[in-house]
Amino acid sequence: AQKVTQAQTEISVVEKEDVTLDCVYETRDTTYYLFWYKQPPSGELVFLIRRNSFDEQNEISGRYSWNFQKSTSSFNFTITASQVVDSAVYFCASASGNTGKLIFGQGTTLQVKP
Amino acid sequence: EAGVAQSPRYKIIEKRQSVAFWCNPISGHATLYWYQQILGQGPKLLIQFQNNGVVDDSQLPKDRFSAERLKGVDSTLKIQPAKLEDSAVYLCASSQDRNTIYFGEGSWLTVV
Repeated sequence: AQKVTQAQTEISVVEKEDVTLDCVYETRDTTYYLFWYKQPPSGELVFLIRRNSFDEQNEISGRYSWNFQKSTSSFNFTITASQVVDSAVYFCASASGNTGKLIFGQGTTLQVKP
Repeated sequence: EAGVAQSPRYKIIEKRQSVAFWCNPISGHATLYWYQQILGQGPKLLIQFQNNGVVDDSQLPKDRFSAERLKGVDSTLKIQPAKLEDSAVYLCASSQDRNTIYFGEGSWLTVV
């Protein structure tokens, strides 16, 4: 069975600091997908990124970057020069093959203080 | 492009009463999901539809929860009778290819 662990429950940083959110996954599948979602106080889950198991290339999108390492079963998310608007709960998730059935971690609450 | 629409946004009911939530997915998305998110936890899949057929309902408490997707578009999720532990956010999501999944703002249920 798949499992996603986000060991950091809450993180608090000061604006402009860099912050990394950790995600460790467990799966027996050879084909799987990994995701990150942002959940602001409004409640909607905002899609940030999807990675498939065959693509370990790191990705950068503006201030966001993701580091996927199959050797350590990790898919970490870094926000560079954090801003107050980054404050939210961030979820890492996995899906087996092309099922679209997401298994979520417990989430990490990020607070960015001005 | 319009996102996933859900209603009502908030609902407070007494235990043993019934409640229904409605979801309108993104146009053209064949796959529709209902997730339950209890406070402080990650969302958990309740049911997955492909068009108007059920793909996975293994985690749906079928003694009290039911869901349907008529004509392969809109969907309703019903709880009857509600229990205190059903207090949660009910998130609807849709996908065109099962790879990128888009969520609505959720329906917040409080059972008292």
